[in-house]
Amino acid sequence: NAGVTQTPKFQVLKTGQSMTLQCAQDMNHEYMSWYRQDPGMGLRLIHYSVGAGITDQGEVPNGYNVSRSTTEDFPLRLLSAAPSQTSVYFCASRRDRSLQETQYFGPGTRLLVL
Amino acid sequence: SQELEQSPQSLIVQEGKNLTINCTSSKTLYGLYWYKQKYGEGLIFLMMLQKGGEEKSHEKITAKLDEKKQQSSLHITASQPSHAGIYLCGADLHGSGNTGKLIFGQGTTLQVKP
Repeated sequence: NAGVTQTPKFQVLKTGQSMTLQCAQDMNHEYMSWYRQDPGMGLRLIHYSVGAGITDQGEVPNGYNVSRSTTEDFPLRLLSAAPSQTSVYFCASRRDRSLQETQYFGPGTRLLVL
Repeated sequence: SQELEQSPQSLIVQEGKNLTINCTSSKTLYGLYWYKQKYGEGLIFLMMLQKGGEEKSHEKITAKLDEKKQQSSLHITASQPSHAGIYLCGADLHGSGNTGKLIFGQGTTLQVKP
């Protein structure tokens, strides 16, 4: 199993550009989520999904869209990038919403918005 | 404000010394997770605690969840340079289990001097 994969690893955008951060898992996990990590802020939840076709907002959803058309994939879209979205983005998955399940993280995507 | 507070924010210890990192909330902690992150890399799952008073150990790392389930501690015995990194605690603060959202603390950066 590849686990949780994320692409790209690094990305530089100009303000106003759009892009999609890809996340995929091959563990047949129902629950997936996106976090951003900023210095001194820890991980903050952006969006999450409890299964295909179901998504919901986390702590900091503004400026981001998600969709979950398949169990495997959970892309994160930035429609109009802003410098405040410069961050490291982590995707995570676990078997289901149960808090008894281990949550696995991808390697992260470093995004710089100029 | 951070719903999960970690202390200290950073820590420098001499190799061989013991250390403790705390994770505190004003709300009940459900499904408390501890992760380690090496600089510039993804998150590695360490341990998960659910029951008040629960304690788990792996090699030289011990994690506890207090009886009231409002604080968890991570203790490292005889620290080694390989223990260096950022330690993050994550928890569900609502306990409903309906969303399974995990909120994270801001992280504790550990340096171990040889």
